[in-house]
Amino acid sequence: QKEVEQDPGPLSVPEGAIVSLNCTYSNSAFQYFMWYRQYSRKGPELLMYTYSSGNKEDGRFTAQVDKSSKYISLFIRDSQPSDSATYLCAMRNSGGYQKVTFGIGTKLQVIP
Amino acid sequence: NAGVTQTPKFQVLKTGQSMTLQCAQDMNHEYMSWYRQDPGMGLRLIHYSVGAGITDQGEVPNGYNVSRSTTEDFPLRLLSAAPSQTSVYFCASRSISQGQGDGANVLTFGAGSRLTVL
Repeated sequence: QKEVEQDPGPLSVPEGAIVSLNCTYSNSAFQYFMWYRQYSRKGPELLMYTYSSGNKEDGRFTAQVDKSSKYISLFIRDSQPSDSATYLCAMRNSGGYQKVTFGIGTKLQVIP
Repeated sequence: NAGVTQTPKFQVLKTGQSMTLQCAQDMNHEYMSWYRQDPGMGLRLIHYSVGAGITDQGEVPNGYNVSRSTTEDFPLRLLSAAPSQTSVYFCASRSISQGQGDGANVLTFGAGSRLTVL
């Protein structure tokens, strides 16, 4: 079993829909949780960053962490065609030398 | 501020050839790493470094060598390329600090190097 599980999709939604992307993990020591967005043939870029549990909102994007369930989510409101990309969850333990573990990525397509 | 710069962007090699993928960052990050990304496999860590002169293996280190002589540079060497090393390679770096502030400790990626081994 992988440390981080993520449905690869693809997920296809109409423009304006609310999108929910999720990851589960098995390592209870993970403290830092990140979402990266990767456009086709580009490098991943950081979208959201959360330390420990709770919610974080940035414009149309909301990240949630539920450590009791070992489950993290990214919500995209009013989705746009420009949101079409692969979304990777990532997480790591606390401590400066800890490696980052990535989910496989979910490919999202927002149809105009 | 260029961030993380990778060269070359594209490379085609024949089996058995050697080459070096270059990575440079100008953010004074202590931590640098190399990932490969393959369809259905996601990002897998090859090697990483926490400072000049310090390197360690990741999840898939076989067939790759690294060294870290300066804070800025972290080259990845393929000594004898194999078709199984056909992939997209990403270099990523981050600060090693104990802070929890936004943006702290998160990886910044380069644009990638697409390698084909025939």
